[in-house]
Amino acid sequence: GAVVSQHPSWVICKSGTSVKIECRSLDFQATTMFWYRQFPKQSLMLMATSNEGSKATYEQGVEKDKFLINHASLTLSTLTVTSAHPEDSSFYICSAPRTSGGPGTQYFGPGTRLLVL
Amino acid sequence: AQKITQTQPGMFVQEKEAVTLDCTYDTSDPSYGLFWYKQPSSGEMIFLIYQGSYDQQNATEGRYSLNFQKARKSANLVISASQLGDSAMYFCAMREPYNAGNMLTFGGGTRLMVKP
Repeated sequence: GAVVSQHPSWVICKSGTSVKIECRSLDFQATTMFWYRQFPKQSLMLMATSNEGSKATYEQGVEKDKFLINHASLTLSTLTVTSAHPEDSSFYICSAPRTSGGPGTQYFGPGTRLLVL
Repeated sequence: AQKITQTQPGMFVQEKEAVTLDCTYDTSDPSYGLFWYKQPSSGEMIFLIYQGSYDQQNATEGRYSLNFQKARKSANLVISASQLGDSAMYFCAMREPYNAGNMLTFGGGTRLMVKP
């Protein structure tokens, strides 16, 4: 079964509104989670690293004031797209490494499709 | 500079035949990990196979095997006996140790289409 969940799976919103996406690790603790964005027919691009108990680390070109990340607990990270615009429409995926599962273990959430009208 | 390169944007394969998806990478660190993920139209990322840079043998997982050629910095995915359900996007990814917390860098992907 899924070990990382995301909510919501789909969201349609009006331009200018804010949208919150949740990423949860279901049966393990994740001090670090990653947020990726994927535009149609493109690859996954890392947006930011979410760190429990400290500020997120953003990749170059990602506006930290627009994409707010809060790692509220060892099992929950949230991404808030503030004042969303149509160009923010994308597929957002989170992932969480699970160190106890071996060096290759990293679990992805099912993703959230955001459409901004 | 591109760290992970997948040169095949799209590929066709006949059902029941084998197919190789190419992946080359660039790193100066001796310790790294290479991953392959499958992404069907639903969008979920499905982990297929992992190869560590120090692993002596090529990784295998069922119908998936990784042709790891370290000197050439290539990590091609081989899918044997293709099935219609294998039609999807396939991404090669690399994890380097200096990246905080196991961050992955992805290649551009290859769309595989299996013909009946």
